[in-house]
Amino acid sequence: DIQMTQSPSTLSASIGDRVTITCRASQSINSWLAWYQQKPGKAPKFLIYKASTLESGVPSRFSGSGSGTEFTLTITSLQPDDFATYYCQQYHDYPLTFGGGTKVEIK
Amino acid sequence: EVQLLESGGGLVQPGGSLRLSCEVSGFTFRNYAMSWVRQAPGKGLEWVSGTNGNGRSTYYADSVEGRFTISKDNPKNRLYLQMDSLRAEDTALYYCAKEACTSTNCYGVDYWGQGTLVTVSS
Repeated sequence: DIQMTQSPSTLSASIGDRVTITCRASQSINSWLAWYQQKPGKAPKFLIYKASTLESGVPSRFSGSGSGTEFTLTITSLQPDDFATYYCQQYHDYPLTFGGGTKVEIK
Repeated sequence: EVQLLESGGGLVQPGGSLRLSCEVSGFTFRNYAMSWVRQAPGKGLEWVSGTNGNGRSTYYADSVEGRFTISKDNPKNRLYLQMDSLRAEDTALYYCAKEACTSTNCYGVDYWGQGTLVTVSS
């Protein structure tokens, strides 16, 4: 199975900060990576697919990059609505697997 | 509008069984792969099982292989998860999830239900 490792597990940041979250795969997944945002008590929200393609309606301050085994999610100017937990998920092979999550907290 | 509505969760004893159901609307169900994703209390997301559009191909996480069975009733617009030999570690909120797919590949979950809670405890 492909293991997905996210770092950091928690990140403290301020409004307006640039934030970067890393996701590493245990083997190459090409660009078959998705990112999600989850707020407490809510279902996840689809943000990015194929590593760098923004889902419709997602603000342009979100971006994704990477291929192979290393990927990043960047928020260029953190907004109040962005405080949440973020997950990566690989779509290269079954079983599909998620990263452990990164909680973005208010500093 | 795409809607996914899970049901069937509840309290069950270890070793018991439950059948989750997900009623969908707002899209052509037979054309889309579907998954179940769970989240234990205070924990991260775990992909559990998936199936393709016609329901003939099924996939499972190692943690549930041999105990859970996913199925898809396209005429009824329903996705199911039969869960047998339940364990305490299966306690979680179970989400029904619609996959975003092209004709050849899926690349993420674009719609989620609100989840149904399964608690395995004596």
